[in-house]
Amino acid sequence: AQSVTQLDSQVPVFEEAPVELRCNYSSSVSVYLFWYVQYPNQGLQLLLKYLSGSTLVKGINGFEAEFNKSQTSFHLRKPSVHISDTAEYFCAVSRWSGGGADGLTFGKGTHLIIQP
Amino acid sequence: GAVVSQHPSWVICKSGTSVKIECRSLDFQATTMFWYRQFPKQSLMLMATSNEGSKATYEQGVEKDKFLINHASLTLSTLTVTSAHPEDSSFYICSAPTLETQYFGPGTRLLVL
Repeated sequence: AQSVTQLDSQVPVFEEAPVELRCNYSSSVSVYLFWYVQYPNQGLQLLLKYLSGSTLVKGINGFEAEFNKSQTSFHLRKPSVHISDTAEYFCAVSRWSGGGADGLTFGKGTHLIIQP
Repeated sequence: GAVVSQHPSWVICKSGTSVKIECRSLDFQATTMFWYRQFPKQSLMLMATSNEGSKATYEQGVEKDKFLINHASLTLSTLTVTSAHPEDSSFYICSAPTLETQYFGPGTRLLVL
């Protein structure tokens, strides 16, 4: 089984400042890692994913994340945030079996609050 | 990118009634779809895996007789909440995987009075 820990339930940041949202995972097998964003009363939008290859992955809206296998982490970063980045951010992991995908295991989410 | 739709987007029903939620993959086929549940200000919890042409598989603690899943075609899965009660009020979200990722529907908000 897999588990995901998002260490911060809420992160306040001033506009144009950098931000890092932390995510750690545990799993007995190899996993694939994702970050999703959820705006109020909406579904989930994929920000970025790590399947294999380069450990630094770039996503939409200027976000990037780095996979660190030794520390079992997949922290999300943005060098300069905007008011529109205010949302809930979820880190998730999935096993990927040869026959297809498994359901995702989500962290509890981090509420990113951008202050003007 | 791939699109997944859900219908309805929100529903209010009386306690004891059944509610059906549809999940469609609009531009790709999905032999597997997933159903999640999200309580207010909480994370998403996987409820079940919907399999086209076979029975759904449920996560531990999810009542399969209460949450009926039917994967009727390669683009449609339905979740029926039977004899709904107020504690079933939640945000239900489906997803459909491709080779590299999963695409989520916009969610269905259910309120049981």
